[in-house]
Amino acid sequence: NAGVTQTPKFQVLKTGQSMTLQCAQDMNHNSMYWYRQDPGMGLRLIYYSASEGTTDKGEVPNGYNVSRLNKREFSLRLESAAPSQTSVYFCASSGYETLGRETQYFGPGTRLLVL
Amino acid sequence: QKEVEQDPGPLSVPEGAIVSLNCTYSNSAFQYFMWYRQYSRKGPELLMYTYSSGNKEDGRFTAQVDKSSKYISLFIRDSQPSDSATYLCAMSAWTGNQFYFGTGTSLTVIP
Repeated sequence: NAGVTQTPKFQVLKTGQSMTLQCAQDMNHNSMYWYRQDPGMGLRLIYYSASEGTTDKGEVPNGYNVSRLNKREFSLRLESAAPSQTSVYFCASSGYETLGRETQYFGPGTRLLVL
Repeated sequence: QKEVEQDPGPLSVPEGAIVSLNCTYSNSAFQYFMWYRQYSRKGPELLMYTYSSGNKEDGRFTAQVDKSSKYISLFIRDSQPSDSATYLCAMSAWTGNQFYFGTGTSLTVIP
C-alpha cells in the first residue's frame, strides 16, 4: 500500500516549456487534489476532483490544467511554464474515516524550478 | 482576511518542554479540524483529526477545539528532537470537498 505517489520528484524547466506532473493513489479515494506550497503562503489549492470525471478550480488555477484519468490518477499540466510557477507541488487524496468525514493524505511532493 | 490564521513562528524549545501551537479561523461553517506534521522536504503527514469541541488525546499529542472562540490548539508534551518540523492546521466544512490550511508553524526542539 503505497498511499499517494507523485512523479517526478524534481524538475527544472525553462520558461515556456510544458510538463505534466503525475499523481496516483491506491486507497480507493474518490477525491483528489493538487496544491502548491510556497514560503509564507502555505498550501494553496490549484484544482481538485471530487470524483472520477469531475474537476473544479481552486484558489490559484491560472496557468494549469488537470485531468482525472481514472479513479486512481490525477495529473497536473503546465502548458507554458513561468518563473512564478516555481514551487513545490503536492497531490493529495481524501477518503472517509470512521467519523464519516473525508481526511486528506498527501504525496511526497514535486519540486519544480522554472528558469 | 485569510480564513485560517496561524503564527508562523519559528518556535524553538528545549527537549521535554510542552509546546502549544494555535490557529484561529473566521468561517463558522468549519466543523472538522486536522493537524498535519511536515518534515523538511517531505509531504504533510496527518497527525490528528477531530470534529467536536473539547480535547482529543493521542499519546503525547492533544488537539483542542473551541468553536465558540474559533480557536484550535495542538499541545505536544515531553517534546522530542524528532518533533522538529512544521505543523499545519487544516479545517473543512461538514459538506463540500475543500480543505483550508494555515501557513504552518516551524518548531525546533533542542536536545
